[in-house]
Amino acid sequence: EAEVAQSPRYKITEKSQAVAFWCDPISGHATLYWYRQILGQGPELLVQFQDESVVDDSQLPKDRFSAERLKGVDSTLKIQPAELGDSAMYLCASSLGLAWSSYEQYFGPGTRLTVT
Amino acid sequence: DAKTTQPNSMESNEEEPVHLPCNHSTISGTDYIHWYRQLPSQGPEYVIHGLTSNVNNRMASLAIAEDRKSSTLILHRATLRDAAVYYCILLNTGNQFYFGTGTSLTVIP
Repeated sequence: EAEVAQSPRYKITEKSQAVAFWCDPISGHATLYWYRQILGQGPELLVQFQDESVVDDSQLPKDRFSAERLKGVDSTLKIQPAELGDSAMYLCASSLGLAWSSYEQYFGPGTRLTVT
Repeated sequence: DAKTTQPNSMESNEEEPVHLPCNHSTISGTDYIHWYRQLPSQGPEYVIHGLTSNVNNRMASLAIAEDRKSSTLILHRATLRDAAVYYCILLNTGNQFYFGTGTSLTVIP
């Protein structure tokens, strides 16, 4: 069964350093999502792509976070500089179409970020 | 964004049915009701979704109230593998996928 791949699975970085996460969605999935999940809370949507275009990045802290999906396939989420409050699980998901079309989302295993 | 209300936690005995409630009193006529669950140390996974009629799949059943202001996810026979956080989400054009804090289900052997 096809899966969403994410790397690395775990990342420890010092504050003020740059960090990047990579996501490879299920083949053929046009929509890609990045979420942040703080311990004890539900996932929070950061950015949503439809092919290579950003559909929604209203919750992305743009002063330090950036995301790209240059060829409409895999995607990278970057944080520069990292802050202590960025410690969280970063989840990537993909779907055939936009969520409000009722397509189900498939999630990757996530990247656990610890900022020291 | 349309929001949902769920109990923080529930318990169930193994092999017994579980009814997980969700209130969504501000639901609009075109909002879909989605359920996802998140097992420990994993990303969320899709469970089921519906619009107006009750829905069944291999994982669960979704019962939607006639006025659509509430819904119930039904696990017919809880297993230890069903211990997870269950999220009830409303989706419509322009809605963000808002998870909330969900219901943490504990299954007792």
